[in-house]
Amino acid sequence: DQQVKQNSPSLSVQEGRISILNCDYTNSMFDYFLWYKKYPAEGPTFLISISSIKDKNEDGRFTVFLNKSAKHLSLHIVPSQPGDSAVYFCAASEGAQKLVFGQGTRLTINP
Amino acid sequence: GAVVSQHPSRVICKSGTSVKIECRSLDFQATTMFWYRQFPKQSLMLMATSNEGSKATYEQGVEKDKFLINHASLTLSTLTVTSAHPEDSSFYICSAGLRDSSTDTQYFGPGTRLTVL
Repeated sequence: DQQVKQNSPSLSVQEGRISILNCDYTNSMFDYFLWYKKYPAEGPTFLISISSIKDKNEDGRFTVFLNKSAKHLSLHIVPSQPGDSAVYFCAASEGAQKLVFGQGTRLTINP
Repeated sequence: GAVVSQHPSRVICKSGTSVKIECRSLDFQATTMFWYRQFPKQSLMLMATSNEGSKATYEQGVEKDKFLINHASLTLSTLTVTSAHPEDSSFYICSAGLRDSSTDTQYFGPGTRLTVL
């Protein structure tokens, strides 16, 4: 039972353009959503989060959008930079409970 | 802020031995720490939730007698893999929860690569 799904295992984007990573969830009780970036053999790095009471949160080049009715969230990175190449995980939690992670999307930024 | 360290970063051991991995929150106190395991090209799988001063809560399918967790203080949790076997070889990652108003954000350590020969 995959409660958090990232249906695109990989994504390639040209440097300078917008990267859009998508995530869907099934548990309507989730109220906090996070995006993490991960390099091989390293722990995930927290990027940005959003509470279910909001539909958008922005931090520099990163913006997360939440569509509760569709149970969908997305991470926008603009402009994309070569250093953004990594695996991105979305995660969700209910209250202060454990995180449930998606499968990850490998983002490659091409020069 | 919100730095989490893990030690060791890599460990190679013989089958049948035990290995201890430490997870520390360096600049904040964490009443709750989490232990994850990641297989190659797969997502992070939660193994257990570690609460300071109480027993850990294990996820279904995780052997609590094999993966011993101790959360002795608000800044330290340890995972001991007992009687390790080659199938325990994996990348183990801890995280610590930092509460900000009403939400908890987990910050992750750099991970420990365990190889059991």
